[in-house]
Amino acid sequence: SQQGEEDPQALSIQEGENATMNCSYKTSINNLQWYRQNSGRGLVHLILIRSNEREKHSGRLRVTLDTSKKSSSLLITASRAADTASYFCATVDYGQNFVFGPGTRLSVLP
Amino acid sequence: DSGVTQTPKHLITATGQRVTLRCSPRSGDLSVYWYQQSLDQGLQFLIQYYNGEERAKGNILERFSAQQFPDLHSELNLSSLELGDSALYFCASSVGAMVGTEAFFGQGTRLTVV
Repeated sequence: SQQGEEDPQALSIQEGENATMNCSYKTSINNLQWYRQNSGRGLVHLILIRSNEREKHSGRLRVTLDTSKKSSSLLITASRAADTASYFCATVDYGQNFVFGPGTRLSVLP
Repeated sequence: DSGVTQTPKHLITATGQRVTLRCSPRSGDLSVYWYQQSLDQGLQFLIQYYNGEERAKGNILERFSAQQFPDLHSELNLSSLELGDSALYFCASSVGAMVGTEAFFGQGTRLTVV
């Protein structure tokens, strides 16, 4: 069963705009991670946020975590055409269960 | 290039057959993970090995098995294949033992069962 559920399923924006994707989950987690996948290729780890952290930045990426709402968001600022990909959140609980959400397909139009 | 190598890149086989997928982790990584990605099931964690021993188990079918060898490469064996086993199979590796620590993915093996 899916633990993380990304929202929206698909997102289309113009280059230069910000893109926000959300992830909700059901159980207590140790950490939450975001990955990017270009079409048909392997996943690339973007960022990991631990359960005791609220916000993390990496370049143009900003991730927030709200454990009380069991949700996380990934913000990509000043998007580029190269950001076009699917983005997945994955949760790790204290039982070492590692579960991916269904992903958000982001299209950045030039 | 993530440094993780998977072979073969593509595999087409018939139902009922058995196949072996191979993964070479990044140099120095002790953990190997296997994932299955299909249209209907999404991305599923199958199993993790750390330094030759099974560390964590996900949604891996009994028809599937894996092992990690002393040189740390890993193989995923899929037997009695069904049409529904058609998917992309990814291998990832990481330095540590904790499931979900930063992992580096290979390009995947696309398995088609006909």
